[in-house]
Amino acid sequence: KQEVTQIPAALSVPEGENLVLNCSFTDSAIYNLQWFRQDPGKGLTSLLLIQSSQREQTSGRLNASLDKSSGRSTLYIAASQPGDSATYLCAVVYNNNDMRFGAGTRLTVKP
Amino acid sequence: DAGVIQSPRHEVTEMGQEVTLRCKPISGHDYLFWYRQTMMRGLELLIYFNNNVPIDDSGMPEDRFSAKMPNASFSTLKIQPSEPRDSAVYFCASNAGEGQPQHFGDGTRLSIL
Repeated sequence: KQEVTQIPAALSVPEGENLVLNCSFTDSAIYNLQWFRQDPGKGLTSLLLIQSSQREQTSGRLNASLDKSSGRSTLYIAASQPGDSATYLCAVVYNNNDMRFGAGTRLTVKP
Repeated sequence: DAGVIQSPRHEVTEMGQEVTLRCKPISGHDYLFWYRQTMMRGLELLIYFNNNVPIDDSGMPEDRFSAKMPNASFSTLKIQPSEPRDSAVYFCASNAGEGQPQHFGDGTRLSIL
């Protein structure tokens, strides 16, 4: 069974801290992995996409890594800001666009 | 650039009624996806289309659910008859091809009373 797990389920940090969100998946035969952000009452915003052949992707203060062999990905957020508060979802694509989502990590950054 | 557009944003109806959710994908995107999000089950893929053809509908919960894509710029997800357990947020997404990022609409929040 292709499961995606995100730890922790919730995280609260003071502004300015660097933080890491974790994602693990049981089937390593992935096509790619995508990190999303979801704000309350809104849809998902794509943050980073890592192809199966890549090790990491960076966008601004965000860095996502991928270790296929161990079935893990991390999302690193540098110098966190209150505006980063949202739920972060990890999604693994296996083939033909079959995307499986984790339950998400709810992040709160306190001013 | 217009993103994925879904309508309505909110729908409240009584059980037994027919519900139709609508989606306009990003122009030029060949793939369209319907998802359902609930607290209990998270985000689940219901069905997806490639070039207007349904490719995988294994996530559709039961025969009460149906989806169509009559052309490249429009898709519907229909529930008939609706039940309270269908209450959820339904998202539509599209992308330009395999391996490309999926872009989501703002969703339709459906409440079946």
